[in-house]
Amino acid sequence: GEDVEQSLFLSVREGDSSVINCTYTDSSSTYLYWYKQEPGAGLQLLTYIFSNMDMKQDQRLTVLLNKKDKHLSLRIADTQTGDSAIYFCAESNKTRAGNMLTFGGGTRLMVKP
Amino acid sequence: GAVVSQHPSWVICKSGTSVKIECRSLDFQATTMFWYRQFPKQSLMLMATSNEGSKATYEQGVEKDKFLINHASLTLSTLTVTSAHPEDSSFYICSAPAGGRTYEQYFGPGTRLTVT
Repeated sequence: GEDVEQSLFLSVREGDSSVINCTYTDSSSTYLYWYKQEPGAGLQLLTYIFSNMDMKQDQRLTVLLNKKDKHLSLRIADTQTGDSAIYFCAESNKTRAGNMLTFGGGTRLMVKP
Repeated sequence: GAVVSQHPSWVICKSGTSVKIECRSLDFQATTMFWYRQFPKQSLMLMATSNEGSKATYEQGVEKDKFLINHASLTLSTLTVTSAHPEDSSFYICSAPAGGRTYEQYFGPGTRLTVT
């Protein structure tokens, strides 16, 4: 079945850039997503990218997709303490009913002042 | 973006009782909704796919008689944890694809269930 992998933890200093990486196995993935989860809260959709794109930028967020290597990354520029959270990578395939998502294990981002 | 709500946000119940959790799409219709559970410091595990007007589809290992799902309308799905046990304590999250933009999946804020 589909598998999505992420590193568990990332620590950066405030003002630096953060890069969170993700790999996936489904070569038929249609969409790839980044979600943010703060403690005790649900998931917030940060951004997504279609599989026919290489890059997407949205304010401080830059998503890079290497489809050949099945590698997705999220870069957060000028990281702030409010960015501390768990970031989940997810993928889906439009052939799955309702566009069901497969999630990675999450990367805990800690931003030090 | 689209809004998904859940009720209650947290609930404490005694072992052996049943608990119902509601998931509502507030500004769009959802023929499909998904139910996940999340243990502390872990990722989301898909439990089942809720289908409006038909039976839910359960993931392998999820007991359908224990986790009853009813997709009563195009804006409401409910998850009932029957005869709850302490090991059912978890964070339950629902999601729904937003109308015609099925590639945009929106999540509820989650319901924390504690079974004593």
